[in-house]
Amino acid sequence: KNEVEQSPQNLTAQEGEFITINCSYSVGISALHWLQQHPGGGIVSLFMLSSGKKKHGRLIATINIQEKHSSLHITASHPRDSAVYICAVRFLQGAQKLVFGQGTRLTINP
Amino acid sequence: GAGVSQSPSNKVTEKGKDVELRCDPISGHTALYWYRQSLGQGLEFLIYFQGNSAPDKSGLPSDRFSAERTGGSVSTLTIQRTQQEDSAVYLCASRPGTGPEKLFFGSGTQLSVL
Repeated sequence: KNEVEQSPQNLTAQEGEFITINCSYSVGISALHWLQQHPGGGIVSLFMLSSGKKKHGRLIATINIQEKHSSLHITASHPRDSAVYICAVRFLQGAQKLVFGQGTRLTINP
Repeated sequence: GAGVSQSPSNKVTEKGKDVELRCDPISGHTALYWYRQSLGQGLEFLIYFQGNSAPDKSGLPSDRFSAERTGGSVSTLTIQRTQQEDSAVYLCASRPGTGPEKLFFGSGTQLSVL
């Protein structure tokens, strides 16, 4: 079964802390997306990964294909990073369909 | 336009009525997706269009749901005989092609079925 699991479901931290959100999936994938959903509901695509590591500003995303695991890191977290972070994968079997994790609700307190 | 545009942003309808939701993808994007997010739930795939290929309809929850994409650009998601469980935010996303590219999401249509 094609499944995507995220952890933790909820995360509260203080401003400045280093944040890690994890995503595990069940079978081989062709691509993994990290998405950010703002409190108002809008969704922004942060990264698309098929291997290795990508960095954009304070955000870093890594993927380990062998372990079927990806992490999203936020350095020097800020209250404006508060959002729901969603992992979504395109399985090798499943054509172009994206399967979504349930999301991680991140709250950064000042 | 600069981004993916969806309309209407909000739609309130009565149970049993038909509704049409519209998505204007980014110009030149050949791939277009519809998703929905029910209250407190994760995102659920509905349908995928890629160029002139037959759409992947595997996520449509029932035969009351249909979608079309005219001229490879604008897409319309139609829900017939709406039910209360259809209430959700319906999101559209597009990307340039079939390769490993980022998705661009619209701001969604909040559908409320009374």
